[in-house]
Amino acid sequence: DIQMTQSPSSLSASVGDRVTITCRASQSITTYLNWYQKKPGKAPDLLIYAASSLQSGVTSRFSGSGSGTDFTLTISNLQPEDFATYYCQQSYTAPLTFGPGTRLDIK
Amino acid sequence: EVQLVESGGGVVQPGGSLRLSCAASGFSFDDYAMHWVRQAPGKGLEWVSLISWDGDSSHYAVSVKGRFTISRDNRKNSLYLQINSLRPEDTALYYCAKDMGRGSAWYSFDHWGPGTLVTVTS
Repeated sequence: DIQMTQSPSSLSASVGDRVTITCRASQSITTYLNWYQKKPGKAPDLLIYAASSLQSGVTSRFSGSGSGTDFTLTISNLQPEDFATYYCQQSYTAPLTFGPGTRLDIK
Repeated sequence: EVQLVESGGGVVQPGGSLRLSCAASGFSFDDYAMHWVRQAPGKGLEWVSLISWDGDSSHYAVSVKGRFTISRDNRKNSLYLQINSLRPEDTALYYCAKDMGRGSAWYSFDHWGPGTLVTVTS
């Protein structure tokens, strides 16, 4: 199985900041990498698919990059609604796997 | 508008069984692969299973293989998950999720239901 790791596991930031979350796969997954936002009591939302493609309806403050084993999610100009937990997920092969999540808190 | 609504969760004793259902609407259900994803209390997301658009192919997480069975009825626009030999560690909110790819699965989840809670306890 492909293992996914994320760093940091949590971070604190302020409204208006720019933050970057890193995701690493245990083997190359080319660009088969997706990012989700999860808020308590709500289902996850797809933000980025295929490493860098913005899902329809998602603000352009979110961007993704990377290929192979190393990927990043960048959120620019943080807004109050962005404070949530973020998960990466590899879509290269089943069994599909998620990273452990990165919790983004308000500083 | 795509809608996914899960049902069938509940409280069950270890070793018991449940059948989860997901009613889909707002899209051509028989064009898309479908998935189950779960989240245990205080834990992260865990992919559970997927089924191809035609039901001919399915995959499972190692943690549920041999105990869970995914199925679908395209005439009823419905997805199912039969869960047997339940363990306390299966306690979770179970989400039904639609695959992004039309025809061929992309293994990405673009719409999710609100989830149904399964609690395994004696």
